[in-house]
Amino acid sequence: ILNVEQSPQSLHVQEGDSTNFTCSFPSSNFYALHWYRWETAKSPEALFVMTLNGDEKKKGRISATLNTKEGYSYLYIKGSQPEDSATYLCAARGGTSYGKLTFGQGTILTVHP
Amino acid sequence: DVKVTQSSRYLVKRTGEKVFLECVQDMDHENMFWYRQDPGLGLRLIYFSYDVKMKEKGDIPEGYSVSREKKERFSLILESASTNQTSMYLCASSPDWTAAFFGQGTRLTVV
Repeated sequence: ILNVEQSPQSLHVQEGDSTNFTCSFPSSNFYALHWYRWETAKSPEALFVMTLNGDEKKKGRISATLNTKEGYSYLYIKGSQPEDSATYLCAARGGTSYGKLTFGQGTILTVHP
Repeated sequence: DVKVTQSSRYLVKRTGEKVFLECVQDMDHENMFWYRQDPGLGLRLIYFSYDVKMKEKGDIPEGYSVSREKKERFSLILESASTNQTSMYLCASSPDWTAAFFGQGTRLTVV
């Protein structure tokens, strides 16, 4: 079982603040890293899937980076808005494209107006 | 849009009952998954399936079984429900081993 850790567990920021979270995973036996956003009363929604060391992906005000050599990924939100409030989940797939997808505990983000 | 539909949003069952959680996807995805989510523990994989009639154990399969008789439907079965199976259950599907699409979740309470 891959050990995937996310920090912080929760975060409160003011509207307009920029913020970032961390996802760490074993650097050996790595295949892919996923980020999902899970809003209350909705289904988790995929943000990014990254596989290559140095990958950077962007979707609007949200971006992510991947360092497979040291085993971490950062998710950045620029100019947080109240609608960004959600649980952000990362998940790592180990070994091969057929490996299990193991999730971290999630980071709960609350953006205050 | 991909749609993954779980049969119930909320379910209350008694200890010892056999419980069926149903999941249907409408995009012809090969892979389907069942996770449970508990506070502080993230999503934990119970079972997954990469083809009809094929299934693989996830990280916490004890007390559960699954059935995939048709490509679009993946059922999770609690053989004899126990209170420690009270949880949020999430079904997901994916066309290959990339991003997963999730259902809305079933909050199961076993009393």
